[in-house]
Amino acid sequence: GQNIDQPTEMTATEGAIVQINCTYQTSGFNGLFWYQQHAGEAPTFLSYNVLDGLEEKGRFSSFLSRSKGYSYLLLKELQMKDSASYLCAVREGNYQLIWGAGTKLIIKP
Amino acid sequence: TAGITQAPTSQILAAGRSMTLRCTQDMRHNAMYWYRQDLGLGLRLIHYSNTAGTTGKGEVPDGYSVSRANTDDFPLTLASAVPSQTSVYFCASSDQELAGGLTDTQYFGPGTRLTVL
Repeated sequence: GQNIDQPTEMTATEGAIVQINCTYQTSGFNGLFWYQQHAGEAPTFLSYNVLDGLEEKGRFSSFLSRSKGYSYLLLKELQMKDSASYLCAVREGNYQLIWGAGTKLIIKP
Repeated sequence: TAGITQAPTSQILAAGRSMTLRCTQDMRHNAMYWYRQDLGLGLRLIHYSNTAGTTGKGEVPDGYSVSRANTDDFPLTLASAVPSQTSVYFCASSDQELAGGLTDTQYFGPGTRLTVL
């Protein structure tokens, strides 16, 4: 069956680094997305991985290992505005996405 | 550019009543989607449309219907609302035919918060 797992909640300190993990079990794989969602707002696109390895984009990086069914989102130099939920989604083979429940990240000063 | 707009922002609806949630995009994306988001669950796909004139069922289609008469609009209709349809509804769109690079990234509207009593 299809399954995407993420921690429900994480807490980190302003200025620090945090890694949010995502593991998936799907019948196919055609890319993995990370989205950010602030409370009461729409999800917004952060990153996309389809090949193994690390994709860096400013303070955010995303890693993928297809053989392990594993991805992580790395956030550096945390800022208070990074407090949000982070959603992992997998595209199985057609154009539709399967979504994890999201990880709520709390940043403390 | 507005991107994707949804209306209404929020609504309280009596059980048994019908309602249409509106979604309009101005990015000329060919694909559009309707999701519901409930606490503790991931976004769940209700219906989708890969191109104007076609629609398909997602993970949780029961109790909902959609139409795609043109590229820009993708309304979602609840024929007879039930309390379990209380949720936040997001419309999204993507350009499945974008050549090269990052394809099929979904862009979301601001959402409609629906309460069915």
